[in-house]
Amino acid sequence: DIQMTQSPSFLSASVGDRVTINCKASQNINRYLNWYQQKLGEAPKLLIYNANSLQTGIPSRFSGSGSGTDFTLTISSLQPEDVATYFCLQHNSWPNTFGAGTKLELK
Amino acid sequence: EVQLVESGGGLVKPGSSLKLSCVASGFTFSSYGMHWIRQAPKKGLEWIALIYYDSSNKYYADSVKGRFTISRDNSKNTLYLEMNSLRSEDTAMYYCARGRGLDYWGQGVMVTVSS
Repeated sequence: DIQMTQSPSFLSASVGDRVTINCKASQNINRYLNWYQQKLGEAPKLLIYNANSLQTGIPSRFSGSGSGTDFTLTISSLQPEDVATYFCLQHNSWPNTFGAGTKLELK
Repeated sequence: EVQLVESGGGLVKPGSSLKLSCVASGFTFSSYGMHWIRQAPKKGLEWIALIYYDSSNKYYADSVKGRFTISRDNSKNTLYLEMNSLRSEDTAMYYCARGRGLDYWGQGVMVTVSS
């Protein structure tokens, strides 16, 4: 199985900060990497698909980059409503595997 | 609006069975593969099963293979997960999700396996 190593596991930042979250795959997954946001008690929401494509309706402050084994989710200017847990998913091969998640809080 | 609504969870004893449902609306259900994913308390997400749009192929995680069965009824826009021989380690929130890219997820349903 492909292992997804996500970092950091916890992140504290201020409103307006640039925030980056990373996922590293144990082998090449091309660009088959999604990023999700999950708020407490809510369904996970797709933010970025195929490494760098912004899902419809998602604010442009969210962006994704990377290919192969190294991927990054960037929030260009953190907003209070961005407090959530973020996780990555590789869907290059079965079984699909997830990063362990990054809990993002406001400083 | 795409909606996925899971149901059927609850508290059961080890060795028991349970069947989860996921009712889809807002899209052509019969055109999409569907997944089940779970998240144990304070743990990460685990993909557990996939069924193709026409039920022609099904895939399972090793942790549930032989115990869980994924199925669907396209006439009812409903996805199922039949869970047998449940173990304490199956305790989790269970989510259904749409398509290869898992672009929409349900809110989840809790399954607790405990004596």
